[in-house]
Amino acid sequence: AQSVTQLDSQVPVFEEAPVELRCNYSSSVSVYLFWYVQYPNQGLQLLLKYLSGSTLVKGINGFEAEFNKSQTSFHLRKPSVHISDTAEYFCAVSEDFNKFYFGSGTKLNVKP
Amino acid sequence: GAGVSQSPSNKVTEKGKDVELRCDPISGHTALYWYRQSLGQGLEFLIYFQGNSAPDKSGLPSDRFSAERTGGSVSTLTIQRTQQEDSAVYLCASSLEVNTEVFFGQGTRLTVV
Repeated sequence: AQSVTQLDSQVPVFEEAPVELRCNYSSSVSVYLFWYVQYPNQGLQLLLKYLSGSTLVKGINGFEAEFNKSQTSFHLRKPSVHISDTAEYFCAVSEDFNKFYFGSGTKLNVKP
Repeated sequence: GAGVSQSPSNKVTEKGKDVELRCDPISGHTALYWYRQSLGQGLEFLIYFQGNSAPDKSGLPSDRFSAERTGGSVSTLTIQRTQQEDSAVYLCASSLEVNTEVFFGQGTRLTVV
């Protein structure tokens, strides 16, 4: 089974500051990688995904993530956050789209 | 509907009772997933349906848990003799087919008292 580690359970950051949410996974085979966002009282939304090709993936709301195979990482970044980015972010991996393995989530708290 | 619909949104039940959670996937989606999100933890895979194939039940935590999908559309997750550790948010998701984007419902928050 896959294992996904999100090292930070909570990340406080001031508005307009840059942010990086870390994600590492354990796998010796090719995987698909995802970031989902869950706003308060809402369901999960796909933020971005890596399937193949360029290792830098751009998603919605100005987020991007970089796939690093040697470090088995897929960190999420945004150069300047907004109050509206306050949410919980989940990293996920899948080998076959049949099962997705999720990290425990990182709560991003953007302060004014 | 426009998205994945789950009902009820909240369910409080007494320990030992059976509960049924319902999921209406997006119309036309052949793949359907159930996940469980416990407090402070990530999402845990429970079961996966794809078309008419036998479901992948490898994530169900015990034989008290079962799920079915009737007519390739609506799915019901049943938990028998509920225990307090079953308290969690149960999320359903669907996708048009394998290798396409997965859409999640808002979940059913189950509380076993």
